[in-house]
Amino acid sequence: AQSVTQLDSQVPVFEEAPVELRCNYSSSVSVYLFWYVQYPNQGLQLLLKYLSGSTLVKGINGFEAEFNKSQTSFHLRKPSVHISDTAEYFCAVSDNEAAGNKLTFGGGTRVLVKP
Amino acid sequence: GAGVSQTPSNKVTEKGKYVELRCDPISGHTALYWYRQSLGQGPEFLIYFQGTGAADDSGLPNDRFFAVRPEGSVSTLKIQRTERGDSAVYLCASSLNPSPGNEQFFGPGTRLTVL
Repeated sequence: AQSVTQLDSQVPVFEEAPVELRCNYSSSVSVYLFWYVQYPNQGLQLLLKYLSGSTLVKGINGFEAEFNKSQTSFHLRKPSVHISDTAEYFCAVSDNEAAGNKLTFGGGTRVLVKP
Repeated sequence: GAGVSQTPSNKVTEKGKYVELRCDPISGHTALYWYRQSLGQGPEFLIYFQGTGAADDSGLPNDRFFAVRPEGSVSTLKIQRTERGDSAVYLCASSLNPSPGNEQFFGPGTRLTVL
């Protein structure tokens, strides 16, 4: 079984400032890691994912995340946010060997970008 | 191309009634997933289909919940004798196949309110 903890439920940030969203996971098996974004009144959209290889993963819209196996973390960062980044962000994991690819999500972090 | 669509977008019903929620996946996607997102929480896995068969229904909360995908495309989530605690956004996602790490594409969800 897996669990995902997103330590911040809300993150207010000023436009053009950097942001980091924290994600920690717990799992008895090896996992793949994902970040999804949910804009108001829209479906979840994949930002980036870590499957293997380089622990620094770059995604869409200037986001990146770093996988740290020893700390079981997968924090999301963006060096300079825009108003349009206002959304809810979800970290998720899946068992990388089990068929099915079902996702276990964290509780989400709501990012509010202020002008 | 068209994404995942869900109908209705909103459903209000009374306690004890029966409801059906529909999901149209992306054409050609063999894997289809249902998740439930309660207010202030991340999505929780309910069930996934590979083709026409329910490959993993371990997330269904009880036997009032049932889902079908008779022709391997459209899926219907059925909830009998609805309870107020069933109120949530029901999300559908599809992916090309259920291999670990594949991206899941989400629909906008159906918001179910049980009065």
